[in-house]
Amino acid sequence: AQKITQTQPGMFVQEKEAVTLDCTYDTSDQSYGLFWYKQPSSGEMIFLIYQGSYDEQNATEGRYSLNFQKARKSANLVISASQLGDSAMYFCAMREGHGGYNKLIFGAGTRLAVHP
Amino acid sequence: DAGVIQSPRHEVTEMGQEVTLRCKPISGHDYLFWYRQTMMRGLELLIYFNNNVPIDDSGMPEDRFSAKMPNASFSTLKIQPSEPRDSAVYFCASSLDHQGGEAFFGQGTRLTVV
Repeated sequence: AQKITQTQPGMFVQEKEAVTLDCTYDTSDQSYGLFWYKQPSSGEMIFLIYQGSYDEQNATEGRYSLNFQKARKSANLVISASQLGDSAMYFCAMREGHGGYNKLIFGAGTRLAVHP
Repeated sequence: DAGVIQSPRHEVTEMGQEVTLRCKPISGHDYLFWYRQTMMRGLELLIYFNNNVPIDDSGMPEDRFSAKMPNASFSTLKIQPSEPRDSAVYFCASSLDHQGGEAFFGQGTRLTVV
């Protein structure tokens, strides 16, 4: 069963507009962490933002914010004021307990294209 | 710290040959993850270590794949014998030991098996 689901294989947005990338997750743990990573065409994986399951406030990092809805098990990434350099693959990831350890698993990703 | 270092960056090998991918994690990190990325299957977790001990290798696709972490500063992923379907980008990542610790990724090794 998919633990991390990203239902949008591809998205496009006009430069300077906001865009929301969807992510839902499945876990029975009470304590877990959610992450978003960006992978530009050059291939490196870049950490963007983190949300802990007990955090009451939505995480924000510059133009990135995480819309965390715990009851719905969703952790959507919002990018405000899109820039051409935001064109990339975006991965949602979850770190959950695993027998006292923490494994980190990823969704399938969403490819974002920012148009001028 | 220089970050997570993987070598080689690119590897082209013939089917049947042994391939060894190398990873140096960030000093002080307790976790080391190996991932494989393909268009079809996305980013798959192959195996992860905690304090040099393999914790979960359920993602390793076949017995042809093996991974070791002989010390805190070095890990290898070996494929023997390699097959064309092993062609992918292999990432190594390391992190601190807490749930909020983001994983830092190496640049990846692009493996092509012909």
